[in-house]
Amino acid sequence: DTEVTQTPKHLVMGMTNKKSLKCEQHMGHRAMYWYKQKAKKPPELMFVYSYEKLSINESVPSRFSPECPNSSLLNLHLHALQPEDSALYLCASSDIGGRRGNTIYFGEGSWLTVV
Amino acid sequence: AQKVTQAQTEISVVEKEDVTLDCVYETRDTTYYLFWYKQPPSGELVFLIRRNSFDEQNEISGRYSWNFQKSTSSFNFTITASQVVDSAVYFCALSEADSNYQLIWGAGTKLIIKP
Repeated sequence: DTEVTQTPKHLVMGMTNKKSLKCEQHMGHRAMYWYKQKAKKPPELMFVYSYEKLSINESVPSRFSPECPNSSLLNLHLHALQPEDSALYLCASSDIGGRRGNTIYFGEGSWLTVV
Repeated sequence: AQKVTQAQTEISVVEKEDVTLDCVYETRDTTYYLFWYKQPPSGELVFLIRRNSFDEQNEISGRYSWNFQKSTSSFNFTITASQVVDSAVYFCALSEADSNYQLIWGAGTKLIIKP
């Protein structure tokens, strides 16, 4: 079983709605990630939190707002999304530090549909 | 420039056949890490293996085996006696020592195992 859990599994939202995706990891990792994946494509990195601070933002539109309440939780707040934002959103976590190339572990993903 | 190429877009075999998924990478770094992930239709990206550039030993895990050859910049993945449950998209990815958190992904190979 995955040690990165995401909720909800499926979300349908209107373009004027505000919703959130939630992620929790149980591996004691200090880096957490949000990825976006469109059909038949590899995942695209959106955000990285390192020690609960935002360290990478891959020029993601402001309608996506990440939040890291503590070292094991990661949220992605969604507001005024567009239909083209419909995708699989994957949360992930990894170790940090000394050892580069730390393995990134992914959750099951949240399937988002914007209508 | 760093790059990962999975030239096989889709492979279809009959159950119990052996199948090899190809991965060719490009990097200027002498220290790097290679990964394989499996993504079944449910969406979760499942980590399979991590290999660092200093370790060219091949690896076997049950029906899975990996052949890492620096001379040809390849990290191929073989499934022996394939099963229907092996049906998934498989991604090869590269992480360079200087780019913490970042994975460079191949396009993925969709593997279909027919009963």
